[in-house]
Amino acid sequence: TQLLEQSPQFLSIQEGENLTVYCNSSSVFSSLQWYRQEPGEGPVLLVTVVTGGEVKKLKRLTFQFGDARKDSSLHITAAQPGDTGLYLCAGGVGRGSTLGRLYFGRGTQLTVWP
Amino acid sequence: NAGVMQNPRHLVRRRGQEARLRCSPMKGHSHVYWYRQLPEEGLKFMVYLQKENIIDESGMPKERFSAEFPKEGPSILRIQQVVRGDSAAYFCASSRTSGRGLQTQYFGPGTRLTVL
Repeated sequence: TQLLEQSPQFLSIQEGENLTVYCNSSSVFSSLQWYRQEPGEGPVLLVTVVTGGEVKKLKRLTFQFGDARKDSSLHITAAQPGDTGLYLCAGGVGRGSTLGRLYFGRGTQLTVWP
Repeated sequence: NAGVMQNPRHLVRRRGQEARLRCSPMKGHSHVYWYRQLPEEGLKFMVYLQKENIIDESGMPKERFSAEFPKEGPSILRIQQVVRGDSAAYFCASSRTSGRGLQTQYFGPGTRLTVL
């Protein structure tokens, strides 16, 4: 079973601060996706990374996929209240009988106070 | 381009009744996935379907649960004789292809099932 551990589970910060959340596993993934979920809504895709060592930037968000494709991080610069939400990482194995499924971490609940 | 659509958004059933959840994938997507999110838990994979085929149902309970994705129309997740433990948010996702490195899945808003 592929397990994704996310840390921290909860993060409460002031507007303007920087933060990093982590997604770690002992398993190798062919792709990793980050989503943000608001209460009562479905996960909204932020980014997909597929290459070990890959770094993607989306405005104030920077995503990194570990060299060994077992871990990932999300860094937010100058956080804003609008960044508040549940951040989920999800890994895909991409082969065999589990070709289609994503394995999700439990998420990091981020609260940014004005 | 409309996103993944799910209906109903909220569904209330009494124990023993049937629940039918519908999902229309994004235009051009032929792969559909169902996930369940229990309170205080992460999303758990249930089933992966392509048109008229179940590809992987290993995450779905063996009894009372079934899924289909017909040639025409939405994908249906059916839960027979619901019990209180079935209360959860059920999410559908779709993708264009499931090849290596191209498993980007786009999620719908979910159906929140409450069993009384």
